[in-house]
Amino acid sequence: EADIYQTPRYLVIGTGKKITLECSQTMGHDKMYWYQQDPGMELHLIHYSYGVNSTEKGDLSSESTVSRIRTEHFPLTLESARPSHTSQYLCASSEPGDNYGYTFGSGTRLTVV
Amino acid sequence: AQRVTQPEKLLSVFKGAPVELKCNYSYSGSPELFWYVQYSRQRLQLLLRHISRESIKGFTADLNKGETSFHLKKPFAQEEDSAMYYCALSQADSGGSNYKLTFGKGTLLTVNP
Repeated sequence: EADIYQTPRYLVIGTGKKITLECSQTMGHDKMYWYQQDPGMELHLIHYSYGVNSTEKGDLSSESTVSRIRTEHFPLTLESARPSHTSQYLCASSEPGDNYGYTFGSGTRLTVV
Repeated sequence: AQRVTQPEKLLSVFKGAPVELKCNYSYSGSPELFWYVQYSRQRLQLLLRHISRESIKGFTADLNKGETSFHLKKPFAQEEDSAMYYCALSQADSGGSNYKLTFGKGTLLTVNP
């Protein structure tokens, strides 16, 4: 089934560890996005990509990095996790153009202790 | 700067009552607006797009350019409408050829029996 998948759903990790949050979609979408969302709060765009080898920083500054080596895969990496990185991370993808909505993944809830 | 404002963080109504979730935007171009909904323990999902002029689950939203508003309305609220609702604006990036969504802070709607 065409969808967007995020793993893991939940992650508790110690300070200083390197982590990678996975996001994959099987819809063939060129556009992919990472949003950060604190509980009950607004979504902030932290990274986006318009295709393979294209990555841009979003509106909210983030210490994370992303890569887009394959169309379907858009992982997010934190080299050294800190408690301030504790949040929910949502991945999304969309078709080209401004009239199409986004398809969101289920999210990864990250807790850094 | 482009901005989406949802003035109500919380909204509580009784079943069968009309409901209106407010959304105002500021955007220098021609706006493309969306409403997203997040039910408890579910993914964020697209509810409706202004360009589609559709009614989804009994909800409608009309773009009022004069008032720069895109309020979401439903004449008779149901308990299953209880969720977090986000208004979103599609805006061009600095290059002008690609688009990304900016979300409001969201309104938590509770429909009481």
